[in-house]
Amino acid sequence: DAGITQSPRHKVTETGTPVTLRCHQTENHRYMYWYRQDPGHGLRLIHYSYGVKDTDKGEVSDGYSVSRSKTEDFLLTLESATSSQTSVYFCAISESTSGNQPQHFGDGTRLSIL
Amino acid sequence: QQQVKQSPQSLIVQKGGISIINCAYENTAFDYFPWYQQFPGKGPALLIAIRPDVSEKKEGRFTISFNKSAKQFSLHIMDSQPGDSATYFCAATNTGNQFYFGTGTSLTVIP
Repeated sequence: DAGITQSPRHKVTETGTPVTLRCHQTENHRYMYWYRQDPGHGLRLIHYSYGVKDTDKGEVSDGYSVSRSKTEDFLLTLESATSSQTSVYFCAISESTSGNQPQHFGDGTRLSIL
Repeated sequence: QQQVKQSPQSLIVQKGGISIINCAYENTAFDYFPWYQQFPGKGPALLIAIRPDVSEKKEGRFTISFNKSAKQFSLHIMDSQPGDSATYFCAATNTGNQFYFGTGTSLTVIP
């Protein structure tokens, strides 16, 4: 299995509070991604990073920000959590985007916002 | 708008049978089509992938059939086993960064 650790694995918080999820990789891969998984929607890309301090938006980026200060760590922040952000969040990594390299996923963070 | 449409939503198959999951896409620029398998409490794991320059790819009991003209691709699981019970996602990309996933198929293989 790819060396991807997501923390925390479960979190319950209240509407309006800030939340930060962490993804840590030991593979030294350049590309990192944050997805959310919801029933009926599959996986949707929130943000991704193509290097330290280099990030870009995905299709559902509103309400989320990211940071990558080190190759191995990619943080996802919900500045003011809303109930619509209750979801399972997955981090993924990829060695390259050329040659159609697959993405490898962590085991997810289940986030509940009450 | 769903870039990749997946069906069926759920599937029940007898042990030893063939499981078939279908996906369709519209963007002809997509050039990489992976399938992922996901067990409860785990992240999706790459199962098998295909590029549009081939019509079929087989790995063990898993086969992808690809129809470029129809913009469809499907996953066939031969000799389905209870251990294959999982959720399966198809996906497509043309940039390598933005992967578009189907909505998933929950497969149950009955012993």
